[in-house]
This record gives sequence, C-alpha cells and structure tokens, in this order.
Amino acid sequence: DTEVTQTPKHLVMGMTNKKSLKCEQHMGHRAMYWYKQKAKKPPELMFVYSYEKLSINESVPSRFSPECPNSSLLNLHLHALQPEDSALYLCASSQHGRAGVDNEQFFGPGTRLTVL
Amino acid sequence: AQKITQTQPGMFVQEKEAVTLDCTYDTSDQSYGLFWYKQPSSGEMIFLIYQGSYDEQNATEGRYSLNFQKARKSANLVISASQLGDSAMYFCAMREGTVGSSNTGKLIFGQGTTLQVKP
Repeated sequence: DTEVTQTPKHLVMGMTNKKSLKCEQHMGHRAMYWYKQKAKKPPELMFVYSYEKLSINESVPSRFSPECPNSSLLNLHLHALQPEDSALYLCASSQHGRAGVDNEQFFGPGTRLTVL
Repeated sequence: AQKITQTQPGMFVQEKEAVTLDCTYDTSDQSYGLFWYKQPSSGEMIFLIYQGSYDEQNATEGRYSLNFQKARKSANLVISASQLGDSAMYFCAMREGTVGSSNTGKLIFGQGTTLQVKP
C-alpha cells in the first residue's frame, strides 16, 4: 500500500466552526507533514511530525492545531479560521532520513478548504 | 539558504514530442537531493524522479529523465513522447538540509511550471 489518504476531499466552513482534516498512511512512514497550497503557488510547509512528535512548526497561527494520535494518523484541527485560510491542504509522509539516502515524500490528494 | 528557481511559468508542447522543464538551485551543502513532482488539476502531488548530488548518472524513470549538471547547478526534467495526460503543473524541489541527516526536513519548492500538451 503506497497511498496517503485524506478526508474530506472538500470542506466548506464558517469562521466560527470547528472542523478537522484527517490523513492516514500505512506505509510504515514515521515522518508526516501538513502543507498549505494556494492556487498556482507551490506548497508551503506547516508542520512536520517525526516519530509522532511535532518537530517543525513553521510559525503557523494557533487556529491550526495538528495532532498525531499514532504512527499512521495525522489530524489538523481547525478553529476560527479566516477567509484567507481557504486553500488546498496536503498531507504527506516519508521514511525517516537515513545515512546516504534521501526519501521522497508521498502526498495525499488534499482537502480543498473554503472558509466563508 | 537553499533556493529553487523555475523560470518558465508556462510551457506548451505538441503531443508525442519531448519537452524540457528548467530548474536551477542554490545550496552550500555538499550532499543534497533534488525531486520533481507533478500536480494535475485534481491536486495530488505525484513524485516523478529523484537525483542525489553524488549520483554519477542522470536519473531516469520511464519517460522522465533528469538532466543533472552539477557545476551549473541545474536539474532539468525531460519528458519524452509527451502525452495529453502530462498536462499539469510541475514542481522542482530540494530537501532542506544535508542528505542523511537524522531529522526530517522540509522540501524547498520552486514556483512551478504549467505544462500544456497540445493534441
């Protein structure tokens, strides 16, 4: 299984709502990532989890709250978002870095989020 | 700081012809890795090909090959025999930090090139 799955595919939410994005992989990868991507732009890293611990937070506003309940699951909890947070949210996973080898990130299909 | 530059915002190619997508990079690391990803309009980022800085041969994966010129710091993607399904956005990326470091790092992406294949 070389797949990263994300749910939901589309999400529309108001600025006062609380919602969650879910990401799952069963490739045994111990690094998982959240990216935000605006139209026609490259993905921007938000968070990195390494061995279920948060290792990188790219100064993301606290209205985005990541969670890694186990080695296969990654969630992104959303609360009090702004319209400018509307974007494609991509999850990715990779093997942990090992000497002499680089590891590609496998991406999920993304969740298209619209904040009204 | 590492940087990836893709200077072609948009490209057209005739079906069945070859096309080269440009990518230049800047890094002070001796050991690094370069990636190409394809993103169709559906949104999923699809990994295409990888080149390590110490690889002596250019990487190839089916119709994709990477023209790696280390001295010029370029890693151009060549797609042979273009197909209509190749129409997508293409991103060149570099992993931040040295290859093999124990910590995972982020990917530094270029701005992307939109490729349209004409029938």
